[in-house]
Amino acid sequence: DAKTTQPTSMDCAEGRAANLPCNHSTISGNEYVYWYRQIHSQGPQYIIHGLKNNETNEMASLIITEDRKSSTLILPHATLRDTAVYYCIVRVRGFQKLVFGTGTRLLVSP
Amino acid sequence: EAGVVQSPRYKIIEKKQPVAFWCNPISGHNTLYWYRQNLGQGPELLIRYENEEAVDDSQLPKDRFSAERLKGVDSTLKIQPAELGDSAVYLCASSIRGGLVYNEQFFGPGTRLTVL
Repeated sequence: DAKTTQPTSMDCAEGRAANLPCNHSTISGNEYVYWYRQIHSQGPQYIIHGLKNNETNEMASLIITEDRKSSTLILPHATLRDTAVYYCIVRVRGFQKLVFGTGTRLLVSP
Repeated sequence: EAGVVQSPRYKIIEKKQPVAFWCNPISGHNTLYWYRQNLGQGPELLIRYENEEAVDDSQLPKDRFSAERLKGVDSTLKIQPAELGDSAVYLCASSIRGGLVYNEQFFGPGTRLTVL
């Protein structure tokens, strides 16, 4: 699986958009970009995934660059409950293995 | 729908003692995973079950760790004897495998183990 690089931490004001970047310059053509998050004292939670098109669901939007070497997870209106560690993972879709890095610690403040 | 259930949530033991963690996956999920998460790190896979068969245990320290998934539902992860370095959060996850496709993993809240 391709490796990813994420900032260690980010801050966001409540109600503003949180944009979390991820670099995955060695991603292969059949690898998807997945995002999970882990709220304190909970297990990781799936957020969204995509291959090359932008994706949106009720939780977030995923923007993938045309060359697929980087992506951005967007939380359009961050709330205090969005404070968590966000993990960007690339893997072949349907493949079972999730390889977590250290993620980005997002702190949403009032 | 109930999520992945784990117990206990917290466990404190002295080194060299045995300890066991229990996991009940989401109903109908045939794939079960055990992860270990050290402080400040992401989870790392220890073992994966397809029904009752352990199909990937390459990262499980077999000298002291063991796991079982009888009847392909609940699972138990055991450490005997525990060492100081085993202090971590142990996470259980489950997913549905349809053919060659593994769907998303759902995680339990984890068991926080402290070895003194």
